[in-house]
Amino acid sequence: NAGVMQNPRHLVRRRGQEARLRCSPMKGHSHVYWYRQLPEEGLKFMVYLQKENIIDESGMPKERFSAEFPKEGPSILRIQQVVRGDSAAYFCASSSTDSDSGNTIYFGEGSWLTVV
Amino acid sequence: SQKIEQNSEALNIQEGKTATLTCNYTNYSPAYLQWYRQDPGRGPVFLLLIRENEKEKRKERLKVTFDTTLKQSLFHITASQPADSATYLCALRGDGNNNDMRFGAGTRLTVKP
Repeated sequence: NAGVMQNPRHLVRRRGQEARLRCSPMKGHSHVYWYRQLPEEGLKFMVYLQKENIIDESGMPKERFSAEFPKEGPSILRIQQVVRGDSAAYFCASSSTDSDSGNTIYFGEGSWLTVV
Repeated sequence: SQKIEQNSEALNIQEGKTATLTCNYTNYSPAYLQWYRQDPGRGPVFLLLIRENEKEKRKERLKVTFDTTLKQSLFHITASQPADSATYLCALRGDGNNNDMRFGAGTRLTVKP
């Protein structure tokens, strides 16, 4: 399966702990996007990254949240000192750099974070 | 500010009928518009992409129109089936390849047998 892989699928953290969500893009894709989805709500854009670069982080909360996409390895969305309001599904998506096909993004199955 | 609005939160129709979902946008000049399907507990799945110079696109029982003057896209499912029940999202990307993808809130479609 060469799709977008996210792990863990489910993560439970106590308030104040750190959550790390990982995303491996589809083979050949070098653009990664992170979205957050609260229950019964739409997808909210968080951040758009290329390898070693943050292109757009306008949707990221100013504190506690960070994202990276290193030259080697998966993209990581890191949430420090989690609070109950961080409980949500976090979706990663990827796209290619090809100018014709790069406008379609492909999603992973999401990581469900529960903060207790 | 930029907005993507999908006309209704939920749409219920009878099996066999045509479902029509609407996506309106403001303050975008999109080169592309896309529709995705999302099932509960799953990630969105790409369905169709329509370019700004295309008026209509079809794929099996799906049809999408794109009116850049009205700033609107319509998404039709003909001969609907209960298996079509899902949330449908429209998404926009601006000009060029460096712009991120933003989504509407989605319309939850229920097709009743």
